[in-house]
Amino acid sequence: EIVMTQSPATLSVSPGERATLSCRASQSLSSALAWYQQRPGQAPRLLMYDVSTRATGTPATFSGSGSGTDFTLTISSLQSADFAVYYCQQYSNWPRTFGQGTKVEIK
Amino acid sequence: EVQLVESGGGLVQPGGSLRLSCAASGFTFSNYPMSWVRLAPGKGLDWVSTISSGGGATFYADSVKGRFTISRDNSKDTLYLQLNSLRAEDTALYYCAKDLATATGCSDYWGQGTLVTVSS
Repeated sequence: EIVMTQSPATLSVSPGERATLSCRASQSLSSALAWYQQRPGQAPRLLMYDVSTRATGTPATFSGSGSGTDFTLTISSLQSADFAVYYCQQYSNWPRTFGQGTKVEIK
Repeated sequence: EVQLVESGGGLVQPGGSLRLSCAASGFTFSNYPMSWVRLAPGKGLDWVSTISSGGGATFYADSVKGRFTISRDNSKDTLYLQLNSLRAEDTALYYCAKDLATATGCSDYWGQGTLVTVSS
C-alpha cells in the first residue's frame, strides 16, 4: 500500500496570503495525484487531478506541482472560502489512499 | 447537473449488516467507474471500494475486503454497497462518488453521504 503523508497537519494563514501544502508518497506515483477540499459539513470537492490539472470550477488561485513522490498544492491568495481541510490522494496503485489531511485555518 | 443521493445508513449492532444505495442522475451512469469513500468521526477520508463502469472489476480496501461488496445496476443508475460483519470501526459517513473516466478511483462528484453507526 502506498502511504501518503501530508504536512503540515495545520496551517495558519491570514486572508490574502499564500499557502503551500505538501504531500509525500511512499513510492513513485508518476502523475496520478489528486487534491480535494472539504469544508465543515460538506462533501469533499475535487480541486486538482493528474498533479496539476484543475477540476471544473477550481479557481486559478489553486495550482498543483510535483512529480515522483513529492507534491505541492499552492493557494496563491487565500479567500474566506478556502479555509478548509485539504487531502491528497494517489490513484496510481490499488488500494487508493489518502493523506491524513491539512487543515488550513485563519491566522 | 450531476446528482448522487445516498441512502440506507443507520444504527446497527456489531456483526450486523446494511445495504447502502446511491441513486445517480445528470450523467450517463454506465460510462463511469464509481467509488465509496468514508469519513469516520475525527478522522480523514478513507477510500473503501471502486467498481468499473460495467461492473466487471471491483476493488476494495484491505480493511473491508471479504466483508463489504460493491455492485451497480446500470439499468437503474444505482450504486450499492453491502456491508456485512460490521465493526465499531466501520462507523462513518459513507460517500458515493463518481470517478473520472480516465482516472479510476479519482472522484469528481460526491454525494452528501449516509451515516452508518455500529454500536450495541
